[in-house]
Amino acid sequence: EPEVTQTPSHQVTQMGQEVILRCVPISNHLYFYWYRQILGQKVEFLVSFYNNEISEKSEIFDDQFSVERPDGSNFTLKIRSTKLEDSAMYFCASSRLGTSTDTQYFGPGTRLTVL
Amino acid sequence: DAKTTQPPSMDCAEGRAANLPCNHSTISGNEYVYWYRQIHSQGPQYIIHGLKNNETNEMASLIITEDRKSSTLILPHATLRDTAVYYCIVRAISGNTPLVFGKGTRLSVIA
Repeated sequence: EPEVTQTPSHQVTQMGQEVILRCVPISNHLYFYWYRQILGQKVEFLVSFYNNEISEKSEIFDDQFSVERPDGSNFTLKIRSTKLEDSAMYFCASSRLGTSTDTQYFGPGTRLTVL
Repeated sequence: DAKTTQPPSMDCAEGRAANLPCNHSTISGNEYVYWYRQIHSQGPQYIIHGLKNNETNEMASLIITEDRKSSTLILPHATLRDTAVYYCIVRAISGNTPLVFGKGTRLSVIA
């Protein structure tokens, strides 16, 4: 069964450094998402992406964040200057059609630790 | 904010049916009920969704009350691997709205 993959599984960085989290969505999916989950808290939506553009973003997704689909397979989340509060699990998801009846499939996540 | 209310935790004996309730009293006619689960910090996993009719798939059954103000997710024969946090989510029919997760119900399946 096809699945969303994410790399790395764990990223440790120093405050102020840039990080790039990588995702490979399911191959025939057109809509891509990032969510995050701070330890012990809810899963929160960050951004959705379709046709090389951001479709929707939350208040969390400020100027420090950016997303990109650099090639036909990868989908990345960049945090320009990490803060301690960016420490969280980051989940990538994809869906085929982007309709509300279309299932979003999540990857296993990247645990980001900012020191 | 999530439009659903779920008990914070439940226990279920292995092999028995697990019935997870969800209250969504403010749901509108153009919103689906979705269920996802998250096993120990893994990515959320889709289970099932419905609008007003009961639904069943290989994982679970979803029972939605006639007034649509509440629903129950049923895992017919719970196993230890079903131990997870289960999220009930209300989502608009139109557009591609994000999933809004609440705190969910932590289901512990006990041997």
